[in-house]
Amino acid sequence: EPQLVESGGGLVHPGGSLRLSCAASGFTVSSNYMIWVRQAPGKGLEWVSIIYGDGYTYYANSVKGRFTISRHNSENTLYLQMNSLRAEDTAVYYCARGRRMLANWGQGTLVTVSS
Amino acid sequence: DIQMTQSPSTLSASVGDRVTITCRASQSIGSWLAWYQQKPGKAPNLLMYDASSLESGVPSRFSGSGFGTEFTLTISSLQPDDFATYYCQQYSLYPHTFGQGTKLEIK
Repeated sequence: EPQLVESGGGLVHPGGSLRLSCAASGFTVSSNYMIWVRQAPGKGLEWVSIIYGDGYTYYANSVKGRFTISRHNSENTLYLQMNSLRAEDTAVYYCARGRRMLANWGQGTLVTVSS
Repeated sequence: DIQMTQSPSTLSASVGDRVTITCRASQSIGSWLAWYQQKPGKAPNLLMYDASSLESGVPSRFSGSGFGTEFTLTISSLQPDDFATYYCQQYSLYPHTFGQGTKLEIK
């Protein structure tokens, strides 16, 4: 059964950087569409970014130019490099699998941006 | 970006009730819509996709309908496990935006 496990969250100062990881098992990351979705405390879901099997990427306007989605094929792991972090980036970050509907999700990792 | 608007934001109901949640898109998305259920502290769980297709393992009391800009999720007879927050998501155009959520509470 497909499994996703996020890690790398934590407390970071405004303007800082953080890299999130999403370790996959039961399927191959490089052959699938992989997504990052975030959820600010007490708020709704926000779609962040996608990476295709061929490497094509797309970002929400709110993170474009600051976040980079990537993957490490041999480690079967998805990443989200987050730079120039702002208070409004504080959220639980989920990785998920799927180009359209998202049937497999990780448990999430909390990122807190605060001074 | 396509805006997704759910109504109501909060819904109070009792076990056994039939409830309907509405999701409206700011432009036509065809049938490219999914519904998710989320419980506190947990990741969302896919219920429906392509507006009216039931995800494997989801109880048949859940159903979805709609096309274009207006969609509904119906729970035919509420069970205690159904009290949660529900989100719609369009996947017609990037970014694949979500509705703001509907919290289903016990009356």
